[in-house]
Amino acid sequence: GQSLEQPSEVTAVEGAIVQINCTYQTSGFYGLSWYQQHDGGAPTFLSYNGLDGLEETGRFSSFLSRSDSYGYLLLQELQMKDSASYFCAAHSGNTPLVFGKGTRLSVIA
Amino acid sequence: NAGVTQTPKFRVLKTGQSMTLLCAQDMNHEYMYWYRQDPGMGLRLIHYSVGEGTTAKGEVPDGYNVSRLKKQNFLLGLESAAPSQTSVYFCASSYTAGEGYGYTFGSGTRLTVV
Repeated sequence: GQSLEQPSEVTAVEGAIVQINCTYQTSGFYGLSWYQQHDGGAPTFLSYNGLDGLEETGRFSSFLSRSDSYGYLLLQELQMKDSASYFCAAHSGNTPLVFGKGTRLSVIA
Repeated sequence: NAGVTQTPKFRVLKTGQSMTLLCAQDMNHEYMYWYRQDPGMGLRLIHYSVGEGTTAKGEVPDGYNVSRLKKQNFLLGLESAAPSQTSVYFCASSYTAGEGYGYTFGSGTRLTVV
């Protein structure tokens, strides 16, 4: 089977940095994606890591370590609008994405 | 650009009733998916399609059927609704299944079965 583990909830202060971790167990793995979902909204694509290392997109960065079956999403200069759920998702073979259960991020003043 | 459009947005069904959820995309994507989202469960794949005329089962296919008669449309049917099918249903599409291509999701259908 395929599974991804991520914390269910994280709370951080506005302006701070927060890291959301994701560990995975998938066969045929070749990449990790991250999605953001605001309450009542649709998931939206944030980033993709196909190679080990850090990918940076503005305030958001994503990291992958294949040897550790581990990745994380890093959010810098947190803003209130970053309060949302964040999902990691594994790419394997030619099959659809398998999503983690999501991490609910609350940004407090 | 419309992207992925789902109809209806909300629906209440009685147990045993049937309905069809419609998903339409205007991005010429080959791949389309139906996921359901329940509290604490993340997104679980119901069925998917890798091209016009194809369908395949996902993780939780029981109680659902799908059809992809046209490339731009992917229909999800519930033949006899059950309370366990109360959920938020998301349709998504992608250019390929390959690396780097994100999924585009519709805004969701909130279904309640009473």
